[in-house]
Amino acid sequence: LAKTTQPISMDSYEGQEVNITCSHNNIATNDYITWYQQFPSQGPRFIIQGYKTKVTNEVASLFIPADRKSSTLSLPRVSLSDTAVYYCLVGDKVDSSYKLIFGSGTRLLVRP
Amino acid sequence: GAVVSQHPSRVICKSGTSVKIECRSLDFQATTMFWYRQFPKKSLMLMATSNEGSKATYEQGVEKDKFLINHASLTLSTLTVTSAHPEDSSFYICSAFSGTTYNEQFFGPGTRLTVL
Repeated sequence: LAKTTQPISMDSYEGQEVNITCSHNNIATNDYITWYQQFPSQGPRFIIQGYKTKVTNEVASLFIPADRKSSTLSLPRVSLSDTAVYYCLVGDKVDSSYKLIFGSGTRLLVRP
Repeated sequence: GAVVSQHPSRVICKSGTSVKIECRSLDFQATTMFWYRQFPKKSLMLMATSNEGSKATYEQGVEKDKFLINHASLTLSTLTVTSAHPEDSSFYICSAFSGTTYNEQFFGPGTRLTVL
C-alpha cells in the first residue's frame, strides 16, 4: 500500500504559485520525502527531495513540518508545461536501496 | 545528471510470443534496478526489484515465470514478458538506484507494449 495521500487533482492558472500537500502519517525515522513529475507516456522525473524543514532548488521548494507527517511541494509561477502528474513518495528501505511505492499522484492542470 | 535508457521505446507483438525490454544506466553503475508497469491514467505499480548478480524480488501478485528479470551487469537489467497476452499490454518503466544519491531513483523513458 502507498504510504502517502495526495489530492487527486488540482487546477491553476499560468503565473500562479501552486502548493500540493501530501500526507504521510506513518513516515519512518529514516524515510526521506521525494517528489516526482510525470508527463504522459514518459518516465517520472525527479523534482526535489527532503528530510525536514525546507529544501529549495531551481524548480521547486519543499516544506516539511517538524512532525514530518506531511509535506508541501511549492511550484512558483507555473506555466502550461507544468501540467503533469505529481507524485509524493517516502522511501521503503530494502537492503541498501529504497523501494518506492507510488500512490495515486496529483494531476495538475495549468490553464492559460 | 544520471541517465537511464530503455529499449525498445515501443513494441507490438502477437499473443503467445515473448518480448524482451532492456534497461540501461548510461553514466553510472546501478546496484539496484526496479521494474514498474503503468496502465492508462493509473499510477505506477512496482513489479520487482532487481539486484545485480542475484535473483529478482517480485511484488505480491506478480508472476515471476511470466515476467523474467535478469540483472547481469551493473548497467543492464532486462525484463522478458513471456507468452504475452493482450492483458499484458501496458507501459513498462524501469528505474535505477546508484547507491550514492540517497533515496533518489532515476527513471527510464518507458516502453509501450501492445499485444495483439
